[in-house]
Amino acid sequence: TQLLEQSPQFLSIQEGENLTVYCNSSSVFSSLQWYRQEPGEGPVLLVTVVTGGEVKKLKRLTFQFGDARKDSSLHITAAQPGDTGLYLCAGGTSNTGKLIFGQGTTLQVKP
Amino acid sequence: DTGVSQNPRHKITKRGQNVTFRCDPISEHNRLYWYRQTLGQGPEFLTYFQNEAQLEKSRLLSDRFSAERPKGSFSTLEIQRTEQGDSAMYLCASSLVVLPTDEQFFGPGTRLTVL
Repeated sequence: TQLLEQSPQFLSIQEGENLTVYCNSSSVFSSLQWYRQEPGEGPVLLVTVVTGGEVKKLKRLTFQFGDARKDSSLHITAAQPGDTGLYLCAGGTSNTGKLIFGQGTTLQVKP
Repeated sequence: DTGVSQNPRHKITKRGQNVTFRCDPISEHNRLYWYRQTLGQGPEFLTYFQNEAQLEKSRLLSDRFSAERPKGSFSTLEIQRTEQGDSAMYLCASSLVVLPTDEQFFGPGTRLTVL
């Protein structure tokens, strides 16, 4: 059974601080997607990484895929209150359409 | 708006009733997925279609659940004889598969409450 474990589950920080969210598995994934979800809404796709060691940047967000394609991280620089939300990682394999989601990291950024 | 749409957004029903949800994917997308999300958890896969064909179903999808995508466009998810444990957010996603990635774009979800 493929599992993705995210840590931490909850994070409450002050505006301007940096943070890193981790997504780990013992399984290899062909792609890893990061989503952000607001309460009562569906997840919104932030980024997809497919190559081991790949790094992608989206403004203040930096995403990395592990060399072995089993883990990923999301780093946010100078967090802002607008970054508040649930961050989800999801792994995909090329032989099935389904995504395996982590349990999510709830981020609260206080002004 | 050209994103994934879901109707209704909220559904309250009594235990034992049947409910049906609809999902309209992004128009050129050939894959359509259903997930279920409970509070504090990530979404869990239920089933997916490629065009009209239902290619995979999770063990979570009991025989009370049925999904269809009759013409390869919109999809419906029906839950018969609802139970309180069915209360959750039901999410639909669609994608245009370009291997090795399968970027899935989600709708706003249907929140089901079973009383």
